[in-house]
Amino acid sequence: AQSVAQPEDQVNVAEGNPLTVKCTYSVSGNPYLFWYVQYPNRGLQFLLKYITGDNLVKGSYGFEAEFNKSQTSFHLKKPSALVSDSALYFCAVRAAPNTGGFKTIFGAGTRLFVKA
Amino acid sequence: GAVVSQHPSWVICKSGTSVKIECRSLDFQATTMFWYRQFPKQSLMLMATSNEGSKATYEQGVEKDKFLINHASLTLSTLTVTSAHPEDSSFYICSARDQGPSSSYEQYFGPGTRLTVT
Repeated sequence: AQSVAQPEDQVNVAEGNPLTVKCTYSVSGNPYLFWYVQYPNRGLQFLLKYITGDNLVKGSYGFEAEFNKSQTSFHLKKPSALVSDSALYFCAVRAAPNTGGFKTIFGAGTRLFVKA
Repeated sequence: GAVVSQHPSWVICKSGTSVKIECRSLDFQATTMFWYRQFPKQSLMLMATSNEGSKATYEQGVEKDKFLINHASLTLSTLTVTSAHPEDSSFYICSARDQGPSSSYEQYFGPGTRLTVT
């Protein structure tokens, strides 16, 4: 069965420190991978995607993610966290299941708290 | 920046009735719009991809006859929840993809619509 796991419900980091929000997946075939962020008063936003090509993907607001096929991971990273990065982050994977059609599966979300 | 609006922002309807939610791209044209559902414990689900002038593509497991999607123009897509039941109560979010010359997958999201079925 296809699945996406965000193993941490919450990540706490101090402002200025690097941050990592983890995502692992289990799908058949070649996945498309995405990160989205949901801010409290600004709604959902697309951050970045991996379709093919360079494993390191750069996205909005200084975020990046690395596709690691052997570890089936797509962790979100930022070198220096800002308080304004505090939000809910979703990892998603899109793949064609064996039963036909496409399905996009979202992780449960990771809440990031950046402390000043 | 690109703005996507949704109307209404919240709606309460009685069980068995239908409710329509509109999604508009205000300052750009979108050949593709997406409809998501966010459940009470915050998890998200992509319901369907709406293509202007053609039938929507539904994700596996989403009832096409229950959730009717129409994308009649480059700036408007509608989601109609037919014969709504309390279990359809949820937060529905749309997004639109700018069809500009860039090959970016940039999506812009609406603020969401809270549906409560009583």
